[in-house]
Amino acid sequence: DTGVSQNPRHKITKRGQNVTFRCDPISEHNRLYWYRQTLGQGPEFLTYFQNEAQLEKSRLLSDRFSAERPKGSFSTLEIQRTEQGDSAMYLCATPTADTQYFGPGTRLTVL
Amino acid sequence: QKEVEQNSGPLSVPEGAIASLNCTYSDRGSQSFFWYRQYSGKSPELIMSIYSNGDKEDGRFTAQLNKASQYVSLLIRDSQPSDSATYLCAVNSYTNAGKSTFGDGTTLTVKP
Repeated sequence: DTGVSQNPRHKITKRGQNVTFRCDPISEHNRLYWYRQTLGQGPEFLTYFQNEAQLEKSRLLSDRFSAERPKGSFSTLEIQRTEQGDSAMYLCATPTADTQYFGPGTRLTVL
Repeated sequence: QKEVEQNSGPLSVPEGAIASLNCTYSDRGSQSFFWYRQYSGKSPELIMSIYSNGDKEDGRFTAQLNKASQYVSLLIRDSQPSDSATYLCAVNSYTNAGKSTFGDGTTLTVKP
């Protein structure tokens, strides 16, 4: 257990529905990263928060994706109008200077 | 060409042998390098970080970095069946373990 929690752990949805994931990082860590991992590939960077400010977004983050981190604590990642290509593991991570702690991930399946 | 490339494997070694995992990267400005272990269905777990050329040892694991050749490797000595997992190489342009570019991983199987 890294101290980073994610909910839900699994989500099955139908194409076109909206979904929201939550990440609760280690409390004293002010940076928070979201990654997406599909089967057989490494994690791909999606977006990054420093406290409540979203400082960087990947080109992978289309207009259907939005992320927030109110008050610099937990973070949410919302996907609107889900597509089958959104099926993946969504990982949240918080780093220290030389260590990165990943949460257990949320596995999304879009039918 | 991917920014971080790893042999996809699978790599199979007998118990007690040395497993050698390799990674090359394209960005010469990369400053920090990491090896993660990922068990099936689980999230990545950091096992080694290396920042300067040469070797870094931690227990049965040794990371090797050659910036001139843009090459990172991980050696696992006395391999155990519990080492069977996918090993991900990650590269950062910054001197912190934040935003990383990952390879697609090498799957290692250690046979008893």
